[in-house]
Amino acid sequence: KAGVTQTPRYLIKTRGQQVTLSCSPISGHRSVSWYQQTPGQGLQFLFEYFSETQRNKGNFPGRFSGRQFSNSRSEMNVSTLELGDSALYLCASNQGAGYGYTFGSGTRLTVV
Amino acid sequence: GENVEQHPSTLSVQEGDSAVIKCTYSDSASNYFPWYKQELGKGPQLIIDIRSNVGEKKDQRIAVTLNKTAKHFSLHITETQPEDSAVYFCAASRGGAGANSKLTFGKGITLSVRP
Repeated sequence: KAGVTQTPRYLIKTRGQQVTLSCSPISGHRSVSWYQQTPGQGLQFLFEYFSETQRNKGNFPGRFSGRQFSNSRSEMNVSTLELGDSALYLCASNQGAGYGYTFGSGTRLTVV
Repeated sequence: GENVEQHPSTLSVQEGDSAVIKCTYSDSASNYFPWYKQELGKGPQLIIDIRSNVGEKKDQRIAVTLNKTAKHFSLHITETQPEDSAVYFCAASRGGAGANSKLTFGKGITLSVRP
């Protein structure tokens, strides 16, 4: 069974640009969550989608957004990039309430 | 909101010894506690989890214990091996759907196993 796939693995962007990251969950998993990982703040929850609906959102500015498609694939978008947005962005999927999350390998975003 | 603290931040053990990593949480409504292992260049990997209706769970060399009264849970690794060297994260959630599903993570601990 294929794991959670995130593309691209690495990205370098310039301040002020926008970026879109992609996540394909494990087949059959309808819940997709996104986390930001930085050395200073650790793993922080961004948002969660289930059946194309955002069910939960973390404390991030509105520049961070996401969506989920009918096939459960998800994208997250960051607009007007700032240097502080440099991080590893992780996507996780699970079968539903009560099940553990499986993480992808992440997208390493560097803002210069 | 939930706050998860993890102690210590680094741990070094001799190969073959046991390692214990402790976490505390603040939200008494949390009822799901997973542990993740993260190796360099990879995403966190779920290694064991426990729910609040269970006090202890074991899987080969790994065990997790939960004390709901004291609001702390611990990861125990026995007979440590060099490949156990990684960053370990504890997390907590209310374990349900929607708003209850998000995981709150501890800051992580770097475990080094000396050959």
